[in-house]
Amino acid sequence: AQSVTQLDSQVPVFEEAPVELRCNYSSSVSVYLFWYVQYPNQGLQLLLKYLSGSTLVKGINGFEAEFNKSQTSFHLRKPSVHISDTAEYFCAVSEITYKLSFGAGTTVTVRA
Amino acid sequence: NAGVTQTPKFQVLKTGQSMTLQCAQDMNHEYMSWYRQDPGMGLRLIHYSVGAGITDQGEVPNGYNVSRSTTEDFPLRLLSAAPSQTSVYFCASRLQGSPLHFGNGTRLTVT
Repeated sequence: AQSVTQLDSQVPVFEEAPVELRCNYSSSVSVYLFWYVQYPNQGLQLLLKYLSGSTLVKGINGFEAEFNKSQTSFHLRKPSVHISDTAEYFCAVSEITYKLSFGAGTTVTVRA
Repeated sequence: NAGVTQTPKFQVLKTGQSMTLQCAQDMNHEYMSWYRQDPGMGLRLIHYSVGAGITDQGEVPNGYNVSRSTTEDFPLRLLSAAPSQTSVYFCASRLQGSPLHFGNGTRLTVT
């Protein structure tokens, strides 16, 4: 069965500093991988997805993630964060089925 | 397009009451699902459906029922509400291999 582990529950970061959110997954088959963002009191929005092809995936708002099959990881990065990036971020994995499993989430707090 | 529409946005129930959370999508997605979101636990799958007339249990199905009579609608029923069901509920839909589209959530409080 698929599962996702987000290694950091809270990540405080200063404005204009880089940030990396770590995500590891377990699955015995090929997977699709996603990062979602949830701003306060809102639903979830897709940041980026890996379905196949290039292992470096670029998403919205300057975020990117790299799929590493040997390390079963899909870490999210942004080179320079803004106050508006304060949100909760969820990594998710789907095997070649419909079901999507989510990690517990990482709360990013950007400080001036 | 409206996308995924959830109603109501907020609900307060007393223990033992029943209610239905509504979810509708207009994207002709075959897959629909219900998640609950609790602090520190991410999103946990309650029930899902891969098409009209087909439903299955997720990680945390106890206390909830679903049905899928049409492609568009996927209501979630709480049969006898308990305080442990206080949560934020999200409905989501997708095509196979594509990202989930989420509704804006229903915040449920059971007293």
